[in-house]
Amino acid sequence: EPEVTQTPSHQVTQMGQEVILRCVPISNHLYFYWYRQILGQKVEFLVSFYNNEISEKSEIFDDQFSVERPDGSNFTLKIRSTKLEDSAMYFCASRGPVGSEAFFGQGTRLTVV
Amino acid sequence: AQSVAQPEDQVNVAEGNPLTVKCTYSVSGNPYLFWYVQYPNRGLQFLLKYITGDNLVKGSYGFEAEFNKSQTSFHLKKPSALVSDSALYFCAVRETGGFKTIFGAGTRLFVKA
Repeated sequence: EPEVTQTPSHQVTQMGQEVILRCVPISNHLYFYWYRQILGQKVEFLVSFYNNEISEKSEIFDDQFSVERPDGSNFTLKIRSTKLEDSAMYFCASRGPVGSEAFFGQGTRLTVV
Repeated sequence: AQSVAQPEDQVNVAEGNPLTVKCTYSVSGNPYLFWYVQYPNRGLQFLLKYITGDNLVKGSYGFEAEFNKSQTSFHLKKPSALVSDSALYFCAVRETGGFKTIFGAGTRLFVKA
């Protein structure tokens, strides 16, 4: 069964450093997402990406965040200068056409120290 | 703007008894509705969805949900709970034609043997 894969599974970084979280969505999917979850609580929408551009973003997704689809398979989330409050589980998701459900990766646990 | 409410932080049920996890939503148009389950340190797994048609939808692991347009609800149900159903359950909504899927705060289900 196709799946969304995320690397690394756990990333520890110092405050102020840049991090890149990587995702390989399901190959024929068209819509790509990043969500975050703090301490196993609410799943918060960060950004959606379609047709090689951001289609929607939340208030959380400020200038410190960026996304990129550098080739036909990868989808990345970059945090330019990490803060302690960026510590969370980050989930990548992808989906197919209208009406389809999103498939989630296993997440990257980001710890900012 | 779309939103999802899960009024119960936690639901406790005895094994073999029926379970219900409640969800209400708010969207400006017709909704796509989803239920996901999350086990500890894992990603979100899709359970079922309502797109259109029959108000009662059936999904994985014996779960079902009923769409009620007048009450804007989409409650998750299972006739006979298992201990292995214990997990965190998320209701989610996406507007028809929209990009992002918004999640409720989650309901923790405990099934006692």
